[in-house]
Parts: sequence; structure tokens; C-alpha cells
Amino acid sequence: AQSVTQLGSHVSVSEGALVLLRCNYSSSVPPYLFWYVQYPNQGLQLLLKYTSAATLVKGINGFEAEFKKSETSFHLTKPSAHMRDAAEYFCAVSTTGGGNKLTFGTGTQLKVEL
Amino acid sequence: ETGVTQSPTHLIKTRGQQVTLRCSSQSGHNTVSWYQQALGQGPQFIFQYYREEENGRGNFPPRFSGLQFPNYSSELNVNALELDDSALYLCASSPTAGNTGELFFGEGSRLTVL
Repeated sequence: AQSVTQLGSHVSVSEGALVLLRCNYSSSVPPYLFWYVQYPNQGLQLLLKYTSAATLVKGINGFEAEFKKSETSFHLTKPSAHMRDAAEYFCAVSTTGGGNKLTFGTGTQLKVEL
Repeated sequence: ETGVTQSPTHLIKTRGQQVTLRCSSQSGHNTVSWYQQALGQGPQFIFQYYREEENGRGNFPPRFSGLQFPNYSSELNVNALELDDSALYLCASSPTAGNTGELFFGEGSRLTVL
């Protein structure tokens, strides 16, 4: 079985500041890892994914994440926050052969302040 | 290209009633997954349909059932509704039951059980 833990249900940053959203995973087999974003009253949208290729993954809207096996982490970062980044972010895991059946974390609400 | 559409967007039911939620997958996608997102939580996998057959199920009781039709649209049925079934129900489609991890989500159906 696999799981993800997102540390911090709410994160607040100033516009232009670094965004860091934390995700740790647990998996008995090599994982596939994902970050999804959910804007208010919308469905989820894929930001980026790690599927055992490059450990540093670049996604949409300037976000990136680094897979660190030794730390079982897949933290999401963005160098400079923008107001439009305010949303809820979900880390998710599946496994090889998992057939797109994702296990999501509980989410981190990102607030961006002026 | 039409995205994933879900209906109804909101509905209110009472305990013990039955509900049917509908989902039209994105054009060209043959796999549909359903997730339940309770308030303040991440989405939880209910089940997946691939080419009209159930292709995996999460930890949900049998009163949660589904169908997929030849045009790959899908229904989620919930019988004997309980208060804890109140949630946002998300449908996601993907072009294959493989492991790309990229799910395309609809905006959800928000169910309130009184």
C-alpha cells in the first residue's frame, strides 16, 4: 500500500516569495508521484509528475518538484509566488502497474498575500 | 476538445435515498475513475472503469456502484445514503488505464445528505 503525507494544511507566503509545499510518500515499490492543483469550485489539474525519469521535474506555471528517494520526499517549489497561485495543492502517489489509481494527500491550501 | 463534464453540479438528498451521478469523459478517453472528496480532505479513489468493466475499487462499500457505457460515459450510483456520503464527487478520465497518472477531472458533483 502507498500513502502520502502533506505537512502543513495551510501555507501563507508573500507575493514574490519562495513557495515550498511539502510531501512525503510511503511506498513498498518504486512510486509514481504527482502534484495536482485545485482552484475554487473547479476540478483538479495536473501540475507535474515523476515517473522514474529525471528526479527534478518541471511543471506548469513555473512549479517544479524534486524526487528524493533517501528522504522519501517530493516537495513542490516555485521561486516567486504570484497571486494567481492561491489554490489548494494535492500530492498523490501511484505505483507501477497501478493503472492511474491515485492515492492523494489531504492537501495544502496556499495563500498569497500582497 | 470537450473536457470532462459532470451532472448535476449540486444536489441535496435525505438519508436512505439513492442518487445517480453522471460523467462524460473527455473525447478519446476510455477510462473513467470516480473519487470522493470530503470537506477538507483529499480525493479518495472509489473505482475505475475501463472499457465498460470495473478495473479496480477502493475501500468503499457495495452500495457504491457504477457503470460505464459504450461511449465511455459513466454513472456513479449510491444507495441507502448516509450523512457521511456528503462530499464532492469527482469524475476523472484518462486516455488509457495505464500509468501516466494524468487524470483529467471534471468540476464535480456536490452531494449534501440531510
